Amino acid sequence: GDSVTQMEGPVTLSEEAFLTINCTYTATGYPSLFWYVQYPGEGLQLLLKATKADDKGSNKGFEATYRKETTSFHLEKGSVQVSDSAVYFCALKGSYIPTFGRGTSLIVHP
Amino acid sequence: GAGVSQSPRYKVTKRGQDVALRCDPISGHVSLYWYRQALGQGPEFLTYFNYEAQQDKSGLPNDRFSAERPEGSISTLTIQRTEQRDSAMYRCASSTRVIYAEVTDTQYFGPGTRLTVL
Repeated sequence: GDSVTQMEGPVTLSEEAFLTINCTYTATGYPSLFWYVQYPGEGLQLLLKATKADDKGSNKGFEATYRKETTSFHLEKGSVQVSDSAVYFCALKGSYIPTFGRGTSLIVHP
Repeated sequence: GAGVSQSPRYKVTKRGQDVALRCDPISGHVSLYWYRQALGQGPEFLTYFNYEAQQDKSGLPNDRFSAERPEGSISTLTIQRTEQRDSAMYRCASSTRVIYAEVTDTQYFGPGTRLTVL
């Protein structure tokens, strides 16, 4: 079945540092890939998505590229802010049932 | 406009009691999902609806769990004879499209209901 593997957290960074959160997946066919973000006390919000190979999703300075050859969808940001502190979930959707990773907590210090 | 809302936000109940969790999706959204999320895990699919029709309930853990969406809008997830292992965050999400073959659709999540079974 489909699965998503994310790097374990927490990831702790200083403000303005470069961020990478790794995500790899296993799926049949051609899934769409998503990153969701969950701020404390809130629901999951879509951060970005990519629907086919080599697509790059981007939003709020975050980027991720759909790499079919490596089955990866790593999340990157060039300069993180304290306000980026949250839990980030990688997800895939090959049919109507989404599969989520277990989430990676990001803590950004001033 | 208003997002997805869920109530109650927190529910504490005793083992053996029934609970009903409510989800009010974004107005006009036709698809509605229920998920369960354990601490430190991602959301796990339970069931979903297109309009009032329950399309898939394969993720419901057992027959104590049921869900309905009688008028194609508000949905209720009911857990009968609750057990301690049912304690989790229960999340609802809605999306605009009928999603039989639509893999690109974006889901909008509610804040969740934290259920604690004592």
